[in-house]
Amino acid sequence: DAGVIQSPRHEVTEMGQEVTLRCKPISGHNSLFWYRQTMMRGLELLIYFNNNVPIDDSGMPEDRFSAKMPNASFSTLKIQPSEPRDSAVYFCASSFNPGGNEQFFGPGTRLTVL
Amino acid sequence: KQEVTQIPAALSVPEGENLVLNCSFTDSAIYNLQWFRQDPGKGLTSLLLIQSSQREQTSGRLNASLDKSSGRSTLYIAASQPGDSATYLCAVGNDYKLSFGAGTTVTVRA
Repeated sequence: DAGVIQSPRHEVTEMGQEVTLRCKPISGHNSLFWYRQTMMRGLELLIYFNNNVPIDDSGMPEDRFSAKMPNASFSTLKIQPSEPRDSAVYFCASSFNPGGNEQFFGPGTRLTVL
Repeated sequence: KQEVTQIPAALSVPEGENLVLNCSFTDSAIYNLQWFRQDPGKGLTSLLLIQSSQREQTSGRLNASLDKSSGRSTLYIAASQPGDSATYLCAVGNDYKLSFGAGTTVTVRA
């Protein structure tokens, strides 16, 4: 298996632009997570999907952030409009029935908003 | 809210020495505890997963222990190698939610 796939790996954009991050989970996993990692706050859970349904989006920082999972093999995290404080590494992770099971992380997308 | 602390924040050892990394957490009502490795600019690689009913888990040179009642886990890496240099993260799981420590950055000197 190729593991969790994320694209792009790096994104540089200007303040106010829309940013879309993409994730393909491991085949057969029914749970998907979006995390954000910064020096100041470490790793934070943004949103959790189970069977393509958003279960917990309490970590989504503002209405500027939105996430979708149209099918079991694809998810997007969108930021519109982007701001410099959104600069961070965004990770996608997947798991099979995560209560008690491992989460497997993708390589991350490093976002820089100028 | 679960608070996870990792001490020390950084560690430098000569090659061959055993590594001991500590993780403490405030809420003992956990499902599991997962240790990850993160190389600079890379994603997280899962090393070991310990279920709440287990006391330890081993994989090769790695051994992780869990004492749920005292809120502690320790990751032991035997006979360290320069390739073990990385940041090691502890994550405490409650159902689907992982609470991460800030990590311990390890440097193994050749």
